[in-house]
Amino acid sequence: GAVVSQHPSWVICKSGTSVKIECRSLDFQATTMFWYRQFPKQSLMLMATSNEGSKATYEQGVEKDKFLINHASLTLSTLTVTSAHPEDSSFYICSAGSPPSLAGSYEQYFGPGTRLTVT
Amino acid sequence: RKEVEQDPGPFNVPEGATVAFNCTYSNSASQSFFWYRQDCRKEPKLLMSVYSSGNEDGRFTAQLNRASQYISLLIRDSKLSDSATYLCVVIGSYKYIFGTGTRLKVLA
Repeated sequence: GAVVSQHPSWVICKSGTSVKIECRSLDFQATTMFWYRQFPKQSLMLMATSNEGSKATYEQGVEKDKFLINHASLTLSTLTVTSAHPEDSSFYICSAGSPPSLAGSYEQYFGPGTRLTVT
Repeated sequence: RKEVEQDPGPFNVPEGATVAFNCTYSNSASQSFFWYRQDCRKEPKLLMSVYSSGNEDGRFTAQLNRASQYISLLIRDSKLSDSATYLCVVIGSYKYIFGTGTRLKVLA
């Protein structure tokens, strides 16, 4: 399957600072990338859909001014957590989608995730 | 009601046992269905797609029941390495909706 990388794999930052997480598709061009957040023992929750060259689409309840998403190229999307607080501590996972096939199948390839701890 | 619901478990089963998980979804227009496996502190990995006709991959069998809006995963001859959280995923409008996952522990 396709390879998606994330950087950093883990980060610890102080409350009030900003953290940038990168998501790269290494062997295919991803017009769409997705950002998820997962709290302990909970499901992955979609935060936003990132489209190359246009504004991201945020899910209800996700603050777009706090979670800045940039998808400047077909292989890179970034998520910046601005003014981080301890409640933002979570596992952030990106995924890149392959174009849907004529048969209607659709796959996403997940990055390894970034564990953010805000102290 | 959640869009995708799963029994969180944990299911503790002995090696060699057969175990089944169910997952219900609320949107009858959902188009595609998957089972993912997630190990602790790792990203989810695709286990198998779920087709209307049912599909099997080795010890794993997935079924879809559109009328009752649920999908199932059957694991035969459980191995210790099967211990993980199994996530039910439903797609609508090219968005993945994850269940909370069912935790499986296979005991020696």
